[in-house]
Amino acid sequence: AQSVTQLGSHVSVSEGALVLLRCNYSSSVPPYLFWYVQYPNQGLQLLLKYTTGATLVKGINGFEAEFKKSETSFHLTKPSAHMSDAAEYFCAVSGFNAGNNRKLIWGLGTSLAVNP
Amino acid sequence: DGGITQSPKYLFRKEGQNVTLSCEQNLNHDAMYWYRQDPGQGLRLIYYSQIVNDFQKGDIAEGYSVSREKKESFPLTVTSAQKNPTAFYLCASSMTGTSYEQYFGPGTRLTVT
Repeated sequence: AQSVTQLGSHVSVSEGALVLLRCNYSSSVPPYLFWYVQYPNQGLQLLLKYTTGATLVKGINGFEAEFKKSETSFHLTKPSAHMSDAAEYFCAVSGFNAGNNRKLIWGLGTSLAVNP
Repeated sequence: DGGITQSPKYLFRKEGQNVTLSCEQNLNHDAMYWYRQDPGQGLRLIYYSQIVNDFQKGDIAEGYSVSREKKESFPLTVTSAQKNPTAFYLCASSMTGTSYEQYFGPGTRLTVT
């Protein structure tokens, strides 16, 4: 069975500081991994994804994530936080349901606060 | 512009009433999903549909019903049997046979009093 753990439900950084949001997963098959962002009272927007190939993936808004198979991790980073990065971030892994259809398994989310 | 629309953005109902949330997509996606979001609980899957006229229960289907009569539309009905219906509801869609990333609508916030 697949699962996702996001370490830290709340993360606070100063504007201009490094953003690091942690995601660990378990999967019995090669995983597809995703990071989404959600601003208050809005839907989720795909930030980036890993399927195959290069393990360092770049996404929108200056975010990137590195797939580390040995550590079963897919941490999200951004070198310099902006105030506009304040949002909820969700990590997800693509797994299979009982009907052998693909589905996304979601982490509980990390709320990022950016302090001026 | 391709995307997913959900309406209305805010919905208020009295306890005991059924209510239907709309979800329409023009992305030509095969699969559609309904999630419920509560603070601190992430996204929980209510129902999903891989193809027209077929749908499956997700993790928390009790008190909800759906239909998929058209590829573009996947309405969700919150019935009076749902014990705690107040929540933020998100609709999503995806292509099958790909990496299965999901694309989301803007959500509907339902308040039942």
